[in-house]
Amino acid sequence: AQSVSQHNHHVILSEAASLELGCNYSYGGTVNLFWYVQYPGQHLQLLLKYFSGDPLVKGIKGFEAEFIKSKFSFNLRKPSVQWSDTAEYFCAVKPPKAAGNKLTFGGGTRVLVKP
Amino acid sequence: SQTIHQWPATLVQPVGSPLSLECTVEGTSNPNLYWYRQAAGRGLQLLFYSVGIGQISSEVPQNLSASRPQDRQFILSSKKLLLSDSGFYLCAWKAGQADNSPLHFGNGTRLTVT
Repeated sequence: AQSVSQHNHHVILSEAASLELGCNYSYGGTVNLFWYVQYPGQHLQLLLKYFSGDPLVKGIKGFEAEFIKSKFSFNLRKPSVQWSDTAEYFCAVKPPKAAGNKLTFGGGTRVLVKP
Repeated sequence: SQTIHQWPATLVQPVGSPLSLECTVEGTSNPNLYWYRQAAGRGLQLLFYSVGIGQISSEVPQNLSASRPQDRQFILSSKKLLLSDSGFYLCAWKAGQADNSPLHFGNGTRLTVT
């Protein structure tokens, strides 16, 4: 079945370390790509999105993601994390011609940043 | 500005009891509406979506149903809850006409079936 995969379920790192979260999808054709974040006790919110153009997209709070079409990947990165980046991160894909414009989500990655 | 309201925030119900979770959106018209269930380690699973009043599409077979009686109201229901219905339910909306608009989520409902 077509899907969205996030490689790491849990990531633990120290402040100032670099972060990279992997996301791969299995849909062919033109896709729209998203990263969402859920901070403890808060609702899911959009971190960044890619529709077309420059494959390196920048989002809020210093995050960026790179779309590599040949690898079907959309990895999320941040050069230097802060304690406040502790959250769960979800990759999402809108497949080509998705009925209802629905998004398919990955399993999520819980990130814990130690002070 | 657009807002989405989802209630209740938490709910504890016995097995076999009915369920009704409500979601309303303000500040937009003709949105696409979605119900997702979030399970630990399994991400968000799409349960239902709706592109208009009375139009419901089900993504997975289950014990739940959805209805959209008004343009900006989306209801998740069950006649008889099962233990396996426990979970975190999220309502979301998206601008219907804009193909590249993001999803906006409500705060979710934590349902515990006992």
